[in-house]
Amino acid sequence: QVQLQESGPGLVKPSETLSLTCTVSGASISSYYWSWIRQPPGKGLEWIANIYDNGSTKHNPSVKSRVTISADTSKNQFSLKLSSVTAADTAVYYCARVSVDSSGWYGAFYFDHWGQGTLVTVSS
Amino acid sequence: QSVLTQPPSVSGAPGQRVTISCTGSSSNIGADYHVHWYQQLPGTAPKLLIYGDTNRPSGVPDRFSGSKSGTSASLAITGLQAEDEAYYFCQSYDNSLSATWVFGGGTKLTVL
Repeated sequence: QVQLQESGPGLVKPSETLSLTCTVSGASISSYYWSWIRQPPGKGLEWIANIYDNGSTKHNPSVKSRVTISADTSKNQFSLKLSSVTAADTAVYYCARVSVDSSGWYGAFYFDHWGQGTLVTVSS
Repeated sequence: QSVLTQPPSVSGAPGQRVTISCTGSSSNIGADYHVHWYQQLPGTAPKLLIYGDTNRPSGVPDRFSGSKSGTSASLAITGLQAEDEAYYFCQSYDNSLSATWVFGGGTKLTVL
């Protein structure tokens, strides 16, 4: 059974860096693709970034210059860092596993397992 | 504004059939990228409901079905039950300048 669990500070000051970790059990992070997705309070979902099994990454242009996604295979974890945060970055942050059919086509990517989410508030 | 447009709310009585639309454009659904659907119960994480336009993951009742045509997709729920009351989101890929995976704004289903 695949399980994901986000962890990190729930409160970050404006202009500082938001740091979150996703711990995965039931699947090797080296064998799949992984994502960070966020949901501002009362709003919809926004894809932030992917990290692939070869360590390569892809980011949403809306946050690209501020985001770093990385993986620690020894701990079966992957992480998100978002710099220079503002109140607009206040959201529930989810980590998720990316799934795709045998074609591996990016146009078919979907998110089949999600963490419970963690609320990060940006405030002084 | 979301790239994929969903109605903010739909409602139906127990036992009825409801549909939720997801309207995109030629850079996403119309480009034949797959559409996926998620159910989000209050206070919980989204759960995969439909993938690859029409496929149900193991454990999802066959009351839930997906379809796609042109630049739109739909989620149909038959035999509506009280526990179906939730938010529903569609998701696809967009090949415009942003080139990202995108979600609809979400639809709140109320079971009357």
